[in-house]
Amino acid sequence: GAVVSQHPSWVICKSGTSVKIECRSLDFQATTMFWYRQFPKQSLMLMATSNEGSKATYEQGVEKDKFLINHASLTLSTLTVTSAHPEDSSFYICSARNFGGGQETQYFGPGTRLLVL
Amino acid sequence: GESVGLHLPTLSVQEGDNSIINCAYSNSASDYFIWYKQESGKGPQFIIDIRSNMDKRQGQRVTVLLNKTVKHLSLQIAATQPGDSAVYFCAEKRVGNEKLTFGTGTRLTIIP
Repeated sequence: GAVVSQHPSWVICKSGTSVKIECRSLDFQATTMFWYRQFPKQSLMLMATSNEGSKATYEQGVEKDKFLINHASLTLSTLTVTSAHPEDSSFYICSARNFGGGQETQYFGPGTRLLVL
Repeated sequence: GESVGLHLPTLSVQEGDNSIINCAYSNSASDYFIWYKQESGKGPQFIIDIRSNMDKRQGQRVTVLLNKTVKHLSLQIAATQPGDSAVYFCAEKRVGNEKLTFGTGTRLTIIP
């Protein structure tokens, strides 16, 4: 299947710093990517929908000024957690939508574990 | 509110037996359903999908059944192996909506 990568795979940062997470579709172009957050033993919660060349659409309750999303190309979306705090510690997962064979499928990245001290 | 839910949070199955993981959804407008497998510390991995115009779809060792009458989805894994141990999520997408809604997940444990 299609491959989606994320970088870094894990990051530890001090409270108040900003962290950027990259999501790349490696063998297909994705006009739409999605960012999810997952807390331990919980399901994935959609944070925002990232559209290439336009502003991201955020889910209710997600602060757009805190979680900056940039989808500058058809293969790259970035999520920046600004002024991170311990409560932002979580597993962040991106997905990219691929159209192939007349079918649409979302493929997920391996996730980025963020720990804010 | 509308949701996609799972009947059981955990499931333990003897190695070699078949596993059945269930999922209920509440929105009759859902037209596309996907099962994902998530291993510890990794992102979800696509297993199999099914559209609402079908009631069964088979893959390699996996079968998805869709019962639209009772809004129920199931994933059957044949001859489960230790590598099948993971959390399984169902997800649904509604007509005209590009977003996926995930269920709560079922942890499948394979007993040697």
